[in-house]
Amino acid sequence: EVQLVESGGDLVQPGRSLRLSCSTSGFTFGDYSMSWVRQAPGKGLEWVGFIRIRAYGATTHYAASVKGRFTISRDDSKSIAYLQMNSLKTEDTAVYYCTRGPDSPIDYWGQGTLVTVSS
Amino acid sequence: QTVVTQEPSLTVSPGGTVTLTCASSTGAVTSGYYPNWFQQKPGQAPRSLLYSTNNKHSWTPARFSGSLLGGKAALTLSGVQPEDEAEYYCLLYYGGSWVFGGGTKLTVL
Repeated sequence: EVQLVESGGDLVQPGRSLRLSCSTSGFTFGDYSMSWVRQAPGKGLEWVGFIRIRAYGATTHYAASVKGRFTISRDDSKSIAYLQMNSLKTEDTAVYYCTRGPDSPIDYWGQGTLVTVSS
Repeated sequence: QTVVTQEPSLTVSPGGTVTLTCASSTGAVTSGYYPNWFQQKPGQAPRSLLYSTNNKHSWTPARFSGSLLGGKAALTLSGVQPEDEAEYYCLLYYGGSWVFGGGTKLTVL
């Protein structure tokens, strides 16, 4: 059974950093690109970015709103994807989801982890 | 700034048919935008429904179908069930980046 579990969400002050993890099981992690999507309270979904598989250089792509502040990485030996968030702003407050894809069909989603940026 | 536009809300009767659309500010949506559709119910994570315009996942009910319609991506629900009441989001590909639509709140009434 494919499972994605996000963790690391917390209350953090503006300007600080936070790292989220997406722990996976039930599939060969190294064969799949992985994405992060967020949802601010009461708002719609926002694509954050994704990381390709190592065969494609593990290249990353980001939304303009987070480019230069957020970094996605992966540890294929642990089947974990990460989202490093620096210089956090209040508008980064959201539930953060990881999902499998998009180089393969975007299919499975985690349950999300809440990040609150507030002083 | 690319904008993907969906109907904010739609209402459909049980057993009826409804079509949700997804438009791009850059012009007509084609298969090259690899339209995806997702369903989200309150308090839950999104669920993937369709990918690459009209391809279903193994769990996608047969009443959901995708197409390109009048320069937009479209999601059609035929024989709507009460449990289809939810928010629906489309997602389009823009050469390395992806953009979600604002979502359509579907009410079954």
